[in-house]
Amino acid sequence: EDQVTQSPEALRLQEGESSSLNCSYTVSGLRGLFWYRQDPGKGPEFLFTLYSAGEEKEKERLKATLTKKESFLHITAPKPEDSATYLCAVVGGYQKVTFGIGTKLQVIP
Amino acid sequence: GAGVSQTPSNKVTEKGKYVELRCDPISGHTALYWYRQSLGQGPEFLIYFQGTGAADDSGLPNDRFFAVRPEGSVSTLKIQRTERGDSAVYLCASSLSGPLSSYNEQFFGPGTRLTVL
Repeated sequence: EDQVTQSPEALRLQEGESSSLNCSYTVSGLRGLFWYRQDPGKGPEFLFTLYSAGEEKEKERLKATLTKKESFLHITAPKPEDSATYLCAVVGGYQKVTFGIGTKLQVIP
Repeated sequence: GAGVSQTPSNKVTEKGKYVELRCDPISGHTALYWYRQSLGQGPEFLIYFQGTGAADDSGLPNDRFFAVRPEGSVSTLKIQRTERGDSAVYLCASSLSGPLSSYNEQFFGPGTRLTVL
């Protein structure tokens, strides 16, 4: 059974304080690892897809990286508007999408 | 409005009643997914459609839950004899193609918050 573990569950940062969120996974034949952002009361918003170890993608202050066992979402110089829950999900060979419980990020001005 | 839409946004019902939740995916997206999200949890997979057919319904918790997508576009999630434990946010997502393809990123709707009293 595919599993996704995200850490930490919650993270509080000062504005401008860079940090990383972790997503550890076990999956049979990774077909894609996804990062989403979810604001309260809304559906998840797609950020990145990573397909193979060594791959990296960037968008504004966010950078996602992938190894064979985990993915990191690096947040550089965060702003209060980056506050949200960040979700990681994987698709394996059985085509089922498995989500982690997310990391709730709060950026303090 | 090119995103995924879901109706209603909120649904309050009584235990034992029947409910239908609707999802209108992004035009041209062949894959459609239903998830259930409880407070403080990630989305939990329910069912995946490729076109009109349910390609994977292994996440449906029991036979009170059923979903259809008769014309390969709009989908309806149906819940019979609702129970208090069914209370959650029901999310719908669509993608250009299936989960094993290269265009498998999913785009989510805003969800339907179901409350069973």
